[in-house]
Amino acid sequence: GQSLEQPSEVTAVEGAIVQINCTYQTSGFYGLSWYQQHDGGAPTFLSYNALDGLEETGRFSSFLSRSDSYGYLLLQELQMKDSASYFCAVTGDYKLSFGAGTTVTVRA
Amino acid sequence: NAGVMQNPRHLVRRRGQEARLRCSPMKGHSHVYWYRQLPEEGLKFMVYLQKENIIDESGMPKERFSAEFPKEGPSILRIQQVVRGDSAAYFCASSTRQPDGENTIYFGEGSWLTVV
Repeated sequence: GQSLEQPSEVTAVEGAIVQINCTYQTSGFYGLSWYQQHDGGAPTFLSYNALDGLEETGRFSSFLSRSDSYGYLLLQELQMKDSASYFCAVTGDYKLSFGAGTTVTVRA
Repeated sequence: NAGVMQNPRHLVRRRGQEARLRCSPMKGHSHVYWYRQLPEEGLKFMVYLQKENIIDESGMPKERFSAEFPKEGPSILRIQQVVRGDSAAYFCASSTRQPDGENTIYFGEGSWLTVV
């Protein structure tokens, strides 16, 4: 099976940088994804890492270390609209399994 | 190009009734997934289906829950004899292929079930 650990919440001010760590245990691993979910909304895809290293997409970057079973999502130049829940998810055993989510609160 | 469509968005059922949740995947997607989300929690995998086949139902409760994805029409998640603990958001997602790599899975807006 799969298990994922990520912090439950993070608070930061506008313009700051936030890093959300994710460690995972899985019986099969293809890659690590990140999803964003605003209150009551659909989870939306942010990024996917299959290989070690950093992937950058605008203000958001995602990192993976397969040997450490670890990844993180980096949110830069935080904006109020970034207040949401962020989930890491592993693709393995032909399904996508999610962590419990990290609630990011951005303050003015 | 419509996204993943779920209905109803909100459903209220009394204990003991049946709930049917429908999901139409994105055009061209033949792989459907159902997830359940309780308040303040993550998304829990329930079932993975392709047309007319259940591929993985390891996350589905053994009793009262069933899912199908017929050749024609939407995927259906059916909950019989609902109990208060079934109250949750049920999200459907779809993809063009099985999740074995960089395969973006798109989610619907969810169906909120409330059991009273």
